[in-house]
Amino acid sequence: AQRVTQPEKLLSVFKGAPVELKCNYSYSGSPELFWYVQYSRQRLQLLLRHISRESIKGFTADLNKGETSFHLKKPFAQEEDSAMYYCALSGPGRRALTFGSGTRLQVQP
Amino acid sequence: GAVVSQHPSRVICKSGTSVKIECRSLDFQATTMFWYRQFPKQSLMLMATSNEGSKATYEQGVEKDKFLINHASLTLSTLTVTSAHPEDSSFYICSARDRVSRNEQFFGPGTRLTVL
Repeated sequence: AQRVTQPEKLLSVFKGAPVELKCNYSYSGSPELFWYVQYSRQRLQLLLRHISRESIKGFTADLNKGETSFHLKKPFAQEEDSAMYYCALSGPGRRALTFGSGTRLQVQP
Repeated sequence: GAVVSQHPSRVICKSGTSVKIECRSLDFQATTMFWYRQFPKQSLMLMATSNEGSKATYEQGVEKDKFLINHASLTLSTLTVTSAHPEDSSFYICSARDRVSRNEQFFGPGTRLTVL
């Protein structure tokens, strides 16, 4: 069975501090990994996915198959980064997403 | 970017009644739409996958006769909660997969259902 684990419910940092939101997954095969973000009173939106290997809003995430992790990182947090972050995966042939429980990021001034 | 709408955004109904929630892709065609359910302070749980012109695929534990899904066109899927009970109260979210850019899902704003 596929599973996504986000161990932290809440992560609070000060503006300018580095951020790492943890995500581990279990999947027997080669999944596609995503990070979704939900700002206050807004809908869920895609932040980035591992196949794109891109940096969005200063965030990056590297897929580590050995550790089955896909941690989200940003070197300098901004107040506008405060939001709910969900890690998700989908398997080839299975287009639906399996979500982690989410981590709330609070960036304090 | 692609937009997905849901209607209504909020609904309150009496126990035993049925409620229909619409999910529309406004500026793209979606061969596949997904319905998720989110309880307070919990993650999104996939309920079913809705394919245009065919029967929906339900996740284990989701009653297909209780949660009726219809995907009659490339831009509209509906979820009907039949004979709703208080335990059906939840946040229902749909997403649509762009027919062209097939790897990305776009999410609706969600529908808050409260069953009294």
